[in-house]
Amino acid sequence: KAGVTQTPRYLIKTRGQQVTLSCSPISGHRSVSWYQQTPGQGLQFLFEYFSETQRNKGNFPGRFSGRQFSNSRSEMNVSTLELGDSALYLCASSGGLAGAHNEQFFGPGTRLTVL
Amino acid sequence: SQQGEEDPQALSIQEGENATMNCSYKTSINNLQWYRQNSGRGLVHLILIRSNEREKHSGRLRVTLDTSKKSSSLLITASRAADTASYFCATAGKAAGNKLTFGGGTRVLVKP
Repeated sequence: KAGVTQTPRYLIKTRGQQVTLSCSPISGHRSVSWYQQTPGQGLQFLFEYFSETQRNKGNFPGRFSGRQFSNSRSEMNVSTLELGDSALYLCASSGGLAGAHNEQFFGPGTRLTVL
Repeated sequence: SQQGEEDPQALSIQEGENATMNCSYKTSINNLQWYRQNSGRGLVHLILIRSNEREKHSGRLRVTLDTSKKSSSLLITASRAADTASYFCATAGKAAGNKLTFGGGTRVLVKP
Protein backbone atom coordinates (compact mmCIF):
# COMPACT_ATOMS: atom_id res chain seq x y z
CA LYS A 1 0.00 0.00 0.00
CA ALA A 2 1.19 3.52 -0.68
CA GLY A 3 1.91 5.57 2.41
CA VAL A 4 0.43 8.87 3.47
CA THR A 5 1.23 11.60 0.98
CA GLN A 6 1.26 15.32 1.58
CA THR A 7 1.46 18.12 -0.92
CA PRO A 8 3.19 20.42 -1.31
CA ARG A 9 6.32 19.42 0.58
CA TYR A 10 7.59 22.98 0.89
CA LEU A 11 5.79 26.28 0.80
CA ILE A 12 6.81 29.89 1.26
CA LYS A 13 4.15 32.50 1.91
CA THR A 14 4.02 36.04 3.22
CA ARG A 15 2.10 37.36 6.19
CA GLY A 16 -1.57 37.87 5.54
CA GLN A 17 -1.80 35.28 2.80
CA GLN A 18 -3.70 32.04 3.09
CA VAL A 19 -2.53 28.51 2.39
CA THR A 20 -4.08 25.12 1.69
CA LEU A 21 -2.28 21.88 2.45
CA SER A 22 -3.37 18.50 1.18
CA CYS A 23 -3.13 15.00 2.63
CA SER A 24 -3.97 11.65 1.06
CA PRO A 25 -4.28 8.88 3.65
CA ILE A 26 -3.42 5.25 3.23
CA SER A 27 -6.05 3.51 1.15
CA GLY A 28 -8.88 2.33 3.38
CA HIS A 29 -8.06 4.64 6.27
CA ARG A 30 -10.91 6.92 7.19
CA SER A 31 -9.32 8.82 10.09
CA VAL A 32 -7.04 11.72 9.22
CA SER A 33 -5.36 13.91 11.83
CA TRP A 34 -3.27 17.04 11.46
CA TYR A 35 -0.41 18.18 13.69
CA GLN A 36 1.77 21.26 13.80
CA GLN A 37 5.41 20.90 14.78
CA THR A 38 7.53 23.87 15.81
CA PRO A 39 10.81 24.08 17.74
CA GLY A 40 9.13 26.05 20.51
CA GLN A 41 5.82 24.25 20.98
CA GLY A 42 6.71 20.79 19.75
CA LEU A 43 4.04 18.60 18.20
CA GLN A 44 0.53 19.90 18.69
CA PHE A 45 -2.75 18.40 17.57
CA LEU A 46 -4.80 20.51 15.19
CA PHE A 47 -7.84 18.39 14.33
CA GLU A 48 -9.05 14.94 13.33
CA TYR A 49 -11.53 13.98 10.65
CA PHE A 50 -13.39 10.73 10.25
CA SER A 51 -15.80 10.05 7.40
CA GLU A 52 -15.92 13.74 6.46
CA THR A 53 -16.75 14.85 10.02
CA GLN A 54 -14.46 16.70 12.40
CA ARG A 55 -14.32 14.52 15.50
CA ASN A 56 -11.85 16.45 17.58
CA LYS A 57 -10.16 19.81 17.55
CA GLY A 58 -7.07 21.18 19.25
CA ASN A 59 -6.51 24.62 20.74
CA PHE A 60 -5.81 26.61 17.63
CA PRO A 61 -7.48 29.81 16.45
CA GLY A 62 -10.26 29.78 13.90
CA ARG A 63 -7.77 30.74 11.19
CA PHE A 64 -6.94 27.04 11.08
CA SER A 65 -9.60 24.95 9.43
CA GLY A 66 -9.87 21.66 7.64
CA ARG A 67 -12.11 19.35 5.77
CA GLN A 68 -12.26 15.81 4.53
CA PHE A 69 -13.65 14.55 1.28
CA SER A 70 -15.63 11.40 0.55
CA ASN A 71 -12.45 9.65 -0.62
CA SER A 72 -10.88 10.43 2.81
CA ARG A 73 -8.42 12.94 1.38
CA SER A 74 -8.11 15.91 3.67
CA GLU A 75 -7.12 19.53 3.34
CA MET A 76 -6.23 22.07 5.96
CA ASN A 77 -6.37 25.78 5.42
CA VAL A 78 -4.67 28.58 7.29
CA SER A 79 -5.93 32.07 6.61
CA THR A 80 -4.28 35.40 7.39
CA LEU A 81 -0.89 33.82 7.91
CA GLU A 82 1.31 34.99 10.76
CA LEU A 83 5.05 34.54 11.22
CA GLY A 84 4.34 32.09 14.04
CA ASP A 85 2.54 29.76 11.64
CA SER A 86 5.90 28.74 10.19
CA ALA A 87 6.09 25.07 11.01
CA LEU A 88 6.14 21.51 9.77
CA TYR A 89 2.55 20.39 9.27
CA LEU A 90 2.10 16.66 9.59
CA CYS A 91 -0.83 14.57 8.53
CA ALA A 92 -1.51 11.11 9.94
CA SER A 93 -4.03 8.45 9.05
CA SER A 94 -5.23 5.40 10.90
CA GLY A 95 -7.46 2.46 10.19
CA GLY A 96 -10.48 1.32 12.13
CA LEU A 97 -12.86 3.51 14.03
CA ALA A 98 -10.79 4.55 17.00
CA GLY A 99 -8.46 7.21 15.63
CA ALA A 100 -5.65 7.80 18.09
CA HIS A 101 -6.40 4.54 19.84
CA ASN A 102 -4.69 2.90 16.91
CA GLU A 103 -1.28 3.24 15.32
CA GLN A 104 -0.94 6.45 13.35
CA PHE A 105 0.78 6.53 9.96
CA PHE A 106 2.40 9.87 9.28
CA GLY A 107 3.14 11.59 6.01
CA PRO A 108 6.45 13.38 5.32
CA GLY A 109 4.98 16.76 6.23
CA THR A 110 4.66 20.14 4.56
CA ARG A 111 7.27 22.69 5.62
CA LEU A 112 5.56 26.11 5.66
CA THR A 113 7.65 29.24 5.92
CA VAL A 114 5.90 32.56 6.47
CA LEU A 115 7.94 35.66 5.63
CA SER B 1 0.13 21.92 25.84
CA GLN B 2 2.14 18.74 26.04
CA GLN B 3 0.92 15.82 28.07
CA GLY B 4 4.24 14.05 28.22
CA GLU B 5 7.61 15.10 29.41
CA GLU B 6 10.59 13.17 28.14
CA ASP B 7 13.86 12.61 29.83
CA PRO B 8 16.60 13.10 28.86
CA GLN B 9 16.15 15.77 26.23
CA ALA B 10 19.28 14.56 24.48
CA LEU B 11 21.38 11.41 24.60
CA SER B 12 24.72 10.60 23.01
CA ILE B 13 25.97 7.02 22.97
CA GLN B 14 28.40 4.77 21.12
CA GLU B 15 27.23 2.22 18.61
CA GLY B 16 26.46 -1.05 20.36
CA GLU B 17 25.40 0.57 23.63
CA ASN B 18 21.85 0.64 24.92
CA ALA B 19 19.74 3.80 24.93
CA THR B 20 17.02 4.39 27.48
CA MET B 21 14.58 7.27 27.49
CA ASN B 22 11.66 7.99 29.78
CA CYS B 23 8.28 9.60 29.37
CA SER B 24 5.93 10.88 32.03
CA TYR B 25 2.34 11.94 31.49
CA LYS B 26 -0.41 13.52 33.52
CA THR B 27 -3.83 12.09 32.79
CA SER B 28 -5.40 8.67 32.35
CA ILE B 29 -4.61 7.06 29.05
CA ASN B 30 -6.02 4.48 26.68
CA ASN B 31 -2.56 3.75 25.26
CA LEU B 32 0.92 5.18 24.91
CA GLN B 33 2.82 5.15 21.63
CA TRP B 34 6.43 5.75 20.71
CA TYR B 35 7.48 7.36 17.44
CA ARG B 36 10.80 8.10 15.76
CA GLN B 37 11.54 11.15 13.62
CA ASN B 38 14.58 11.60 11.42
CA SER B 39 15.74 15.16 10.71
CA GLY B 40 12.37 16.94 10.64
CA ARG B 41 10.67 14.37 8.49
CA GLY B 42 7.48 12.45 9.19
CA LEU B 43 7.10 10.31 12.27
CA VAL B 44 7.45 6.55 12.16
CA HIS B 45 5.41 4.48 14.58
CA LEU B 46 7.55 2.18 16.73
CA ILE B 47 5.30 0.56 19.28
CA LEU B 48 1.93 0.94 20.98
CA ILE B 49 1.34 -0.23 24.54
CA ARG B 50 -2.15 -0.29 25.99
CA SER B 51 -2.97 0.83 29.51
CA ASN B 52 -3.53 -2.75 30.67
CA GLU B 53 -0.09 -3.87 29.42
CA ARG B 54 3.14 -3.53 31.37
CA GLU B 55 5.81 -4.42 28.84
CA LYS B 56 6.11 -4.88 25.12
CA HIS B 57 8.93 -5.87 22.79
CA SER B 58 9.54 -5.27 19.13
CA GLY B 59 12.90 -6.31 17.73
CA ARG B 60 15.55 -4.29 19.59
CA LEU B 61 12.92 -2.16 21.29
CA ARG B 62 11.50 -2.71 24.74
CA VAL B 63 8.78 -0.50 26.18
CA THR B 64 7.49 -0.53 29.72
CA LEU B 65 4.45 1.21 31.10
CA ASP B 66 3.71 1.98 34.74
CA THR B 67 0.26 3.52 34.95
CA SER B 68 0.53 3.99 38.73
CA LYS B 69 3.50 6.30 38.16
CA LYS B 70 2.17 7.60 34.85
CA SER B 71 5.44 6.83 33.16
CA SER B 72 6.89 4.79 30.32
CA SER B 73 10.36 3.93 29.14
CA LEU B 74 11.80 3.00 25.76
CA LEU B 75 14.94 0.91 25.61
CA ILE B 76 16.85 0.48 22.37
CA THR B 77 19.37 -2.33 22.68
CA ALA B 78 22.59 -2.67 20.69
CA SER B 79 22.14 0.73 19.08
CA ARG B 80 23.24 1.48 15.54
CA ALA B 81 24.16 4.73 13.79
CA ALA B 82 20.84 4.44 11.94
CA ASP B 83 19.03 4.80 15.27
CA THR B 84 20.11 8.45 15.39
CA ALA B 85 16.83 10.33 15.50
CA SER B 86 14.37 12.07 17.81
CA TYR B 87 12.06 9.81 19.77
CA PHE B 88 8.64 10.92 20.95
CA CYS B 89 6.13 9.40 23.29
CA ALA B 90 2.48 10.14 22.64
CA THR B 91 -0.57 9.38 24.70
CA ALA B 92 -4.11 8.70 23.61
CA GLY B 93 -6.35 9.64 26.48
CA LYS B 94 -9.56 7.98 27.49
CA ALA B 95 -11.21 11.36 27.74
CA ALA B 96 -9.13 13.19 25.19
CA GLY B 97 -11.00 12.03 22.16
CA ASN B 98 -9.26 10.94 19.08
CA LYS B 99 -5.99 12.78 19.36
CA LEU B 100 -2.43 12.02 20.34
CA THR B 101 -0.67 14.28 22.82
CA PHE B 102 3.07 14.28 22.29
CA GLY B 103 5.99 14.76 24.61
CA GLY B 104 8.88 17.05 23.82
CA GLY B 105 11.06 14.25 22.49
CA THR B 106 14.51 12.86 23.16
CA ARG B 107 17.25 13.50 20.60
CA VAL B 108 19.45 10.44 20.33
CA LEU B 109 22.86 10.51 18.68
CA VAL B 110 24.54 7.18 18.08
CA LYS B 111 28.21 7.61 17.27
CA PRO B 112 29.88 5.00 15.06
